[in-house]
Amino acid sequence: EVQLVESGGGLIQPGGSLRLSCAASGFTVMYNYMSWVRQAPGKGLEWVSALYSGGTTYYADSVRGRFTISSDNSKNALYLQMNNLRDEDTAVYYCAKQTSTSTTFHYWGQGALVTVSS
Amino acid sequence: DIQMTQSPSSLSASVGDRVTISCRASQSIGRALNWYHQKSGEAPKLLMYDASNLQSGVPSRFSGSGSGTDFTLTISSLQPEDFATYYCQQSYTAPTFGQGTKVEIK
Repeated sequence: EVQLVESGGGLIQPGGSLRLSCAASGFTVMYNYMSWVRQAPGKGLEWVSALYSGGTTYYADSVRGRFTISSDNSKNALYLQMNNLRDEDTAVYYCAKQTSTSTTFHYWGQGALVTVSS
Repeated sequence: DIQMTQSPSSLSASVGDRVTISCRASQSIGRALNWYHQKSGEAPKLLMYDASNLQSGVPSRFSGSGSGTDFTLTISSLQPEDFATYYCQQSYTAPTFGQGTKVEIK
């Protein structure tokens, strides 16, 4: 059974850094296609970043240059390193699994809340 | 970016009603269109992919149609567990979502 469990969220001041983790089970992250999707409070869904099998990475314009997606094969985990955080980055961040390069999100984690505020 | 526009933004319906939600893309996306629903406090859940393919485990009262720029999600007979917010999402290019349609109890 595919399971995704996010951790690492919290309250951070503007300009600060935070790393989100997504522990995966039921499949191997390094052979799959993974994304981070976020949802600001009371708002809709926004794709943030993707990591494809082979190591290719993709970013939304709103986070490119500030966020970095990566994985740890020994821990079967996905990460999102978030630097220079802004108020508008406040959101629940979901880890999501695709079945291919088609960005259809078949599985989602429960989400991790990141609050950027002074 | 491809913009996705859903209509209506919200609707009120009764159990047993037939409900239709529309989604329009700002440019042609073929059939690269997915539908999700999200209950309050929960993660989104995939309902339909590639416009009309029912995700495994999703009840057959859900159906999807469309191609190009105009798509529709239909719930043939609304059930209590279907009251949620519905999102369309294009997978043609860098993914973008519609703003959501909240389905409420009348």
